[in-house]
Amino acid sequence: GDSVTQMEGPVTLSEEAFLTINCTYTATGYPSLFWYVQYPGEGLQLLLKATKADDKGSNKGFEATYRKETTSFHLEKGSVQVSDSAVYFCALRREGTYKYIFGTGTRLKVLA
Amino acid sequence: DTAVSQTPKYLVTQMGNDKSIKCEQNLGHDTMYWYKQDSKKFLKIMFSYNNKELIINETVPNRFSPKSPDKAHLNLHINSLELGDSAVYFCASSQGGGATEAFFGQGTRLTVV
Repeated sequence: GDSVTQMEGPVTLSEEAFLTINCTYTATGYPSLFWYVQYPGEGLQLLLKATKADDKGSNKGFEATYRKETTSFHLEKGSVQVSDSAVYFCALRREGTYKYIFGTGTRLKVLA
Repeated sequence: DTAVSQTPKYLVTQMGNDKSIKCEQNLGHDTMYWYKQDSKKFLKIMFSYNNKELIINETVPNRFSPKSPDKAHLNLHINSLELGDSAVYFCASSQGGGATEAFFGQGTRLTVV
């Protein structure tokens, strides 16, 4: 079945450090890929998405590129801030299915 | 104006009780979902409804019964609550079966004591 694998957390970085959170997926066909962010006590918010191979999603300095050949959608940010501390979820959805499949989440902590 | 709203935000109840969680979306979406998030933050789909029709029931115990009175509402009723039901329950909505994203509510933290 479809699945999403994320790197284990927590990830602890200093402010202004470079961030990478790895995400790989298993799915038939060409799923759409998403990154969501969850701040403490809140629901999930869409951070970015990509719907076909080689698409790059970007938002608030975060980027991820849909790599079909490596079935990956790694999240990157050039310079993290304390306010980026949250849990990040990679997710996929196959066309015609009515569910989003999430990875286990990666907790990011950014220190001042 | 909140896009997907759930009530209540917190729910503390005793084992064996019956409780309901309500969800409403004002985005005009045709698909709604219930997800369960456990203490390790793992998100698992429970149900999805498209145009008020149940599409997915992901091996959830019969004690959980969703109800969709119209496309904008999806409620979750839980009978005979157990300790293991303690979790955060998220409602979400999306449009269609394509590449669109889901919008999530703020979650309902259910604690069974």
